Amino acid sequence: DAGITQSPRHKVTETGTPVTLRCHQTENHRYMYWYRQDPGHGLRLIHYSYGVKDTDKGEVSDGYSVSRSKTEDFLLTLESATSSQTSVYFCAISEDRVTSGANVLTFGAGSRLTVL
Amino acid sequence: GQQLNQSPQSMFIQEGEDVSMNCTSSSIFNTWLWYKQDPGEGPVLLIALYKAGELTSNGRLTAQFGITRKDSFLNISASIPSDVGIYFCAGRRVQGAQKLVFGQGTRLTINP
Repeated sequence: DAGITQSPRHKVTETGTPVTLRCHQTENHRYMYWYRQDPGHGLRLIHYSYGVKDTDKGEVSDGYSVSRSKTEDFLLTLESATSSQTSVYFCAISEDRVTSGANVLTFGAGSRLTVL
Repeated sequence: GQQLNQSPQSMFIQEGEDVSMNCTSSSIFNTWLWYKQDPGEGPVLLIALYKAGELTSNGRLTAQFGITRKDSFLNISASIPSDVGIYFCAGRRVQGAQKLVFGQGTRLTINP
């Protein structure tokens, strides 16, 4: 998976509990992203980061926060998980802005989260 | 957010058949990407297209960047069992907020 590790790969939690998903990359890419994948919706961007401590919201950011204290790590936190956040979460990286040039996304293997 | 219209949503074919799928939008795009997702894995890039009219092949896969810049097509020739999976298109819009938008995916099932 091009040096992208997501953890945990599977998690079951209860409504109202906090959850943190971790993405670790060994490619030294500047950009990191969190997507969620749901049937009928494809992949939707939650948050992304363009450098250490530099983050911005995606199209479905409500209920999620992120942090990037090191180039290689990008954390996604659900402060109080809800059943609507049951999904498969994918981390992705790109060398530079995916909206320019020939930069493309490389995805991790995904983290399946179930909120009961 | 805006999504691409990807069709068909699912396909059930016999091994050896050719496959065609497409993505369309009302917006103009300057990049089209095609990804494949195997069960339990993340999407993997198959083909990237950067120019209207461009036709690019990757083995048995061929993708085209539509002349209108509002659509793209992916063809798979002589399908084999390992082609099973979900295929996603992704496009980069020319105008408006610069971002990558994804289609809903085409799930391909192959009967041996």
